[in-house]
Order: sequence, then structure tokens, then C-alpha cells
Amino acid sequence: GEDVEQSLFLSVREGDSSVINCTYTDSSSTYLYWYKQEPGAGLQLLTYIFSNMDMKQDQRLTVLLNKKDKHLSLRIADTQTGDSAIYFCAGGGMSSSASKIIFGSGTRLSIRP
Amino acid sequence: NAGVTQTPKFRVLKTGQSMTLLCAQDMNHEYMYWYRQDPGMGLRLIHYSVGEGTTAKGEVPDGYNVSRLKKQNFLLGLESAAPSQTSVYFCASRTSGLHTEAFFGQGTRLTVV
Repeated sequence: GEDVEQSLFLSVREGDSSVINCTYTDSSSTYLYWYKQEPGAGLQLLTYIFSNMDMKQDQRLTVLLNKKDKHLSLRIADTQTGDSAIYFCAGGGMSSSASKIIFGSGTRLSIRP
Repeated sequence: NAGVTQTPKFRVLKTGQSMTLLCAQDMNHEYMYWYRQDPGMGLRLIHYSVGEGTTAKGEVPDGYNVSRLKKQNFLLGLESAAPSQTSVYFCASRTSGLHTEAFFGQGTRLTVV
């Protein structure tokens, strides 16, 4: 079935760039999302990218998609303490059902002073 | 505009008890989802619905039932709770279409003792 994988933890220094990586197994994924979850809260959409795009930039966020390797990354420039959260990669429009959204395990981003 | 509202926010059950989690959305969304979130495992899809009166199984449906009698409500039932169902449960909804944003509730923390 569909699978989305992420590393569980990332620690960066304040002001540096953070790069969170994700791999997915289903090449028919038509869209890929990045969600952010702050402590004790639900998930909020950060950005998304269509499978026919290679890159998308939105202020401090840059999403890169390598379809050949089925690899997605989220880069956060000038990381701030407010960026501390769990970041989820998710894929939708996968082969078994266009309505399902499958999430990765989430990457916990912590910021060092 | 409340968005997605989950009730209750917290609950402790004894093994074998039953309960129903309610998800309500006021955005006229067609699709609704129930996920569970466990440490290191991300969000796993339990059941979902693509419209009033329809439901479908997700990745981990065993031990749960759902109903979508009204478009705005999606109920998740546990008939006989087990400690393995201790988790944080999230409901989400979105409009139909391939690239629409999913909106999440704040979560229900369920403990089964």
C-alpha cells in the first residue's frame, strides 16, 4: 500500500536553515502536503506541491520534489524558535483512492539557541 | 465559523466500555476523516467518508465503526475499548477535489485503562 516516510527528529541552530526530508512509495501521488503541528494542537497546512512541479517557494519555505527518487523536502530559511513543531509530509490522490490523504510519521524540529 | 470541532477533548475509559467521538464541521465539506496519532507513528487513517451516508476503511479500521448520517457530522465509535486504542484522535475535513486543504480538529485524547 501507500507509504510515506520521514526521519523522527531534527535539531538546528536558531537562524540556520532546516531541511526536513520525506520519501513516498506511490508514484501516482498527484499532490504532496506539508503540515505543521504545534504542541497540543491539531495540524495546520503549511504548503503543498503538485506532482508536475519541481519546486515551490513561499516566503521562508521552499519545497523541492524529486519525482524520480520519490523524495520531497521542506526547507525553512532563518529558522526561529516559533518553528519548533512536528512537521508532517502527506500524500494524496494515490492510486487506491483519490480521496485519501496518507501521512508520514512526522519530524520533530527543535531549535538550539 | 468554528471549523472542525471534536468532542470530547479528553476521556478515560475502562477496558470493554464503549464510547462515541463526535466530529462536526461547518464548512460544508464533502470529505471527512478520522485519524489516530501515536508517538513515532504519525497519523494513521482509521476511516473516512466522501459524502453523507458513505464510509470507507482506512489503514487501521479494526475495533472502530463510523457513521455519516449528516454531512456536517462524522462519528467514530468504539464498541469495546482496549488499551491499544489509547491514542490521540484527530478528525479532518476538506472539500472534494485533488488539492484541497484538510482542516483538522484539536484532537481527542483517549486513555483506556
